[in-house]
Amino acid sequence: EIVLTQSPGTLSLSPGERATLSCRASLSVSASYLAWYQQKPGQAPRLLIYGASNRATGIPDRFSGSGSGTDFTLTISRLEPEDFAVYYCQQYGSSPGTFGQGTKLEIK
Amino acid sequence: EVQLVESGGALVKPGGSLRLSCAASGFSFTSYSMNWVRQAPGKGLEWVSSVSGSGSYKYYADSLKGRFTISRDNAKKSLYLQMDSLRADDTAVYYCARAEVAGTSYLDYWGQGTLVTVSS
Repeated sequence: EIVLTQSPGTLSLSPGERATLSCRASLSVSASYLAWYQQKPGQAPRLLIYGASNRATGIPDRFSGSGSGTDFTLTISRLEPEDFAVYYCQQYGSSPGTFGQGTKLEIK
Repeated sequence: EVQLVESGGALVKPGGSLRLSCAASGFSFTSYSMNWVRQAPGKGLEWVSSVSGSGSYKYYADSLKGRFTISRDNAKKSLYLQMDSLRADDTAVYYCARAEVAGTSYLDYWGQGTLVTVSS
């Protein structure tokens, strides 16, 4: 199975700053079948990005995804207070679909 | 509005069984595959199982080794997970989630989760 490694483990930033989260796959992710999710404490994950760069319904345009092959990035252009959460990447190009271990985005 | 509501989580002893349910509303249930994803306390997400819209195709994580069975009742718009031979490492919040494709897909809507605790 494809192993996804997210970095950094924790990212400390201030509101208004730009956040860059990385997801690296152990094998190439076919057709850029990579998604990003946001999870806040006590809540279910929420889909942000699918197909590496497509925003899900209702997701603000400050969230953007990029990458292909084995290297993918989630960028939040200007952090809002509600963006501080844990972010997971998921590949769904190969079965079984697998998740990264998460990046915690915390307020500095 | 898409809604997924899980139920059935409980405290169960090792070796026991449990059946989780997920009630769906706000979308054409048969048009989507449905999934179970779990999250152990303080840990990341782990895909568990998927079933196609018709119920004909089912997929499982290898780690489950045949202990779990996914099913759906399209007339009731409900998804189920029968869990047998439960172990301590099955302790987790179990989420049901919708996907366009069975087997492996991104998950566009999630329920709020139900907690399963396996302990003596």
